[in-house]
Amino acid sequence: GAGVSQSPSNKVTEKGKDVELRCDPISGHTALYWYRQSLGQGLEFLIYFQGNSAPDKSGLPSDRFSAERTGGSVSTLTIQRTQQEDSAVYLCASSSTISGNTIYFGEGSWLTVV
Amino acid sequence: SQQGEEDPQALSIQEGENATMNCSYKTSINNLQWYRQNSGRGLVHLILIRSNEREKHSGRLRVTLDTSKKSSSLLITASRAADTASYFCATDAKDYGQNFVFGPGTRLSVLP
Repeated sequence: GAGVSQSPSNKVTEKGKDVELRCDPISGHTALYWYRQSLGQGLEFLIYFQGNSAPDKSGLPSDRFSAERTGGSVSTLTIQRTQQEDSAVYLCASSSTISGNTIYFGEGSWLTVV
Repeated sequence: SQQGEEDPQALSIQEGENATMNCSYKTSINNLQWYRQNSGRGLVHLILIRSNEREKHSGRLRVTLDTSKKSSSLLITASRAADTASYFCATDAKDYGQNFVFGPGTRLSVLP
């Protein structure tokens, strides 16, 4: 696609429910990143994919968080048994060596856990 | 941590003035990038400077990189109210592949 697409743009869920956030990167971009940003804060790195593999999962906050990427394209970030502290904007980005490693961001998925 | 750190955390200036933001990092890098974010949504790429470059320009933006001091600066000249946003630097450390790490950002307010 023309840009990084994320869905849903906004999600309100009840505490304890599972949520899935989707990211569709720019076509041909091999690298995909997930970040989390709480209100007024900086970006917290969650996970990075190169193709379908995740060389760096060090940022996932707990085992309730998981992510996968299939076909070297779409990625899904899953949060199980959501907690109120999970409320944040979840930003996805992609890049490639062809783009000079410039990272292109989606508009984010704003998650609110009530 | 290889995290970049921007300073100041917040900056308030009058329209027409220049704004300078700084970024420091800890490890050797391949390149450093500056991003802008409005209203907590997606970040917009402003400029990328490679480790073998010292200065780069793009319109009213000027970025410098000093690898000996592990620091970079972003200068916005003749600021406008529309420049009000948060500005982040991101580095990809040579030892960490393509894992880009962002600093906490500088919140710039340009007053009309």
